[in-house]
Amino acid sequence: EDKVVQSPLSLVVHEGDTVTLNCSYEVTNFRSLLWYKQEKKAPTFLFMLTSSGIEKKSGRLSSILDKKELFSILNITATQTGDSAVYLCVLLNQGGKLIFGQGTELSVKP
Amino acid sequence: EPEVTQTPSHQVTQMGQEVILRCVPISNHLYFYWYRQILGQKVEFLVSFYNNEISEKSEIFDDQFSVERPDGSNFTLKIRSTKLEDSAMYFCASRDRVRDQPQHFGDGTRLSIL
Repeated sequence: EDKVVQSPLSLVVHEGDTVTLNCSYEVTNFRSLLWYKQEKKAPTFLFMLTSSGIEKKSGRLSSILDKKELFSILNITATQTGDSAVYLCVLLNQGGKLIFGQGTELSVKP
Repeated sequence: EPEVTQTPSHQVTQMGQEVILRCVPISNHLYFYWYRQILGQKVEFLVSFYNNEISEKSEIFDDQFSVERPDGSNFTLKIRSTKLEDSAMYFCASRDRVRDQPQHFGDGTRLSIL
C-alpha cells in the first residue's frame, strides 16, 4: 500500500529558528512530490519536486527530494509566526491522485 | 489570483438525508477532484473527474456518492443517505490541463451529520 509518513507530527519553535520537516514515502512509480501549507482552510501549494537532488527555493522556504533514499525535506529559515500551519507532504501518483501524509503541525512562538 | 470556491462553508444535516456540496473550480482548469478529511486524520482522495466522467475513484467513493458537472462552472459532490461517519471536511481541487501542474484547493465544506 502506498504510504507517506511525515515527522515530526508537531513542532514548537521560536521566531528566528530554522526548522526541517521530514517526509518519507513508500510509493512506487510516482510522478511528483508536493508540499502544501494548510492554515485554517485550503491547503496552499508550496513546491513540486520531480527530480532528485535539485533544491527548490522560495524566499525562506526550500525543499529537496532524494529518490534513492525515498525522502524529502522542507526547510524554513528565520521562522515567523505567520509560518505556523500544518505542512503536508503529498505524492502525485501516475494516475493523478494525491496521496497525503498526516502533516506536521508547526507552531512558531513570538 | 483565481481561486477554487466551495459552498456552503458549513453544512449540518440529519442522518439519512442527502447533501450536495458545491464547487466552482478555476475557470480554465479541466481536471477536478474531491477529497475529504475526517477530524484528526489525513486528507483522503475520493474521486477525480475529467472530460465529464470519473477518471479514478477510491474505495471510499461507493454508490452513496456521485459527482456531476451540471454546467460549465460548477462541480458537485452528492452524498445520498448520509451516515454519521460522513462527517468531515470536504475539499474540492482543480488543476490545469498541462501535465503535472499542482492541484489548487478550495477552502472546504465542513459537513456535520447529526
